[in-house]
Amino acid sequence: QSLLTQPPSVSGAPGQRVTISCTGSSSNIGAGYDVHWYQQLPGTAPQLLIYNNFNRPSGVPDRFSASKSGTSASLAITGLQAEDEADYYCQSYDRSLSAVLFGGGTKLTVL
Amino acid sequence: QVQLQESGPGLVKPSQTLSLTCIVSGDSISSGHYSWSWIRQPAGKGLEWMGRMHTSGSTDYNPSLRGRVTVSIDTSMNQVSLDLSSVTAADTAIYYCARGILTGSSVHYDSWGQGTLVTVSS
Repeated sequence: QSLLTQPPSVSGAPGQRVTISCTGSSSNIGAGYDVHWYQQLPGTAPQLLIYNNFNRPSGVPDRFSASKSGTSASLAITGLQAEDEADYYCQSYDRSLSAVLFGGGTKLTVL
Repeated sequence: QVQLQESGPGLVKPSQTLSLTCIVSGDSISSGHYSWSWIRQPAGKGLEWMGRMHTSGSTDYNPSLRGRVTVSIDTSMNQVSLDLSSVTAADTAIYYCARGILTGSSVHYDSWGQGTLVTVSS
């Protein structure tokens, strides 16, 4: 079980807004470590979606945004499109474990 | 643009050592403030970070795998290697190599290989 907790699944209709939470603790997100987000389309490798809490790499649409507060972070997707259907993972670092952490992943279904 | 390509045996017997290689092209493996990680994903499950080597030569490993995993870099071949000893069926997964960049307080992975499936079975 991951130390970064994500909901197993979320869903939304095209055009809607969905959010995915990532809850950690005082030894990772709450300790000030940056949170990053990845999108994994079916059958492909993960791709960086958001880095350092809220920054988008070039090429990532501004429909994707993220924030961090306290021991949690959140990814928001607005104007949902069918192509957004994928698994989403948060990632950070844990100082107690001295290890990189991934959240358990959230499957986004576009209805 | 950097590209990563994993390779290795697709089938490993239980108790043996799993060895994979990731060839890096498009950039020198020893340039910049990078780290090189192995991350795995069992079928239908989430991502698990296994370990990394920094360009400085230091290493970090997932405590759950410590003692079984070794990550190394061959700068002459521009490749990253993974050794995982005493494998069991639970080690069956897609294995990814990824480049880590530290621009804030924690590393993020901006480049990934396509992954290679390793099955542990007799």
